[in-house]
Amino acid sequence: GQQVMQIPQYQHVQEGEDFTTYCNSSTTLSNIQWYKQRPGGHPVFLIQLVKSGEVKKQKRLTFQFGEAKKNSSLHITATQTTDVGTYFCAGPVVKTSYDKVIFGPGTSLSVIP
Amino acid sequence: DTGVSQNPRHKITKRGQNVTFRCDPISEHNRLYWYRQTLGQGPEFLTYFQNEAQLEKSRLLSDRFSAERPKGSFSTLEIQRTEQGDSAMYLCASSLFYSPNSGNTIYFGEGSWLTVV
Repeated sequence: GQQVMQIPQYQHVQEGEDFTTYCNSSTTLSNIQWYKQRPGGHPVFLIQLVKSGEVKKQKRLTFQFGEAKKNSSLHITATQTTDVGTYFCAGPVVKTSYDKVIFGPGTSLSVIP
Repeated sequence: DTGVSQNPRHKITKRGQNVTFRCDPISEHNRLYWYRQTLGQGPEFLTYFQNEAQLEKSRLLSDRFSAERPKGSFSTLEIQRTEQGDSAMYLCASSLFYSPNSGNTIYFGEGSWLTVV
């Protein structure tokens, strides 16, 4: 079945360093979403990308959707301790006229002050 | 509060007992999802509804799990004869779905933690 994979599983960075997580799907996605989950919290929607090659920015976060719409990345510039958490990508599974969203395993980010 | 609401937030139960979780989605949302999450893992799809219709149930779920959304509003997730392996956080989420290409932003509730002892 369709799978969404993410690397790395864990990343520890010094505060101020950059961070990137990569997401890959086994099939082409109509769109991709990114979520952040703080320790002890629930996933919170960050952004959605729809177009091939799309790049979106949110302050220090840059999201990119691959040309083939099978991969995506999230890059954080100059990490801060508030960036700590697990970042999930998620994409729809197309099945007949319905779809559901499946999540990757996430990348857990630790920021050392 | 107009977000997704779940209760109870925490439930400790003995093995073999039945438990039920309730989810109240964002009022105008037509899609409702149930996910399960264990420590260090991403949310695992369980089932979802379009209004009151249950569209799909994960093959990973045994017959001990059942979900309903009788009037297309709130939903319940029941686990019968709980086992220790059922211990997890059960997340409910909702969305306003138009079409696959329009995207489907999912809004999560805070989750219901289940501990089976």
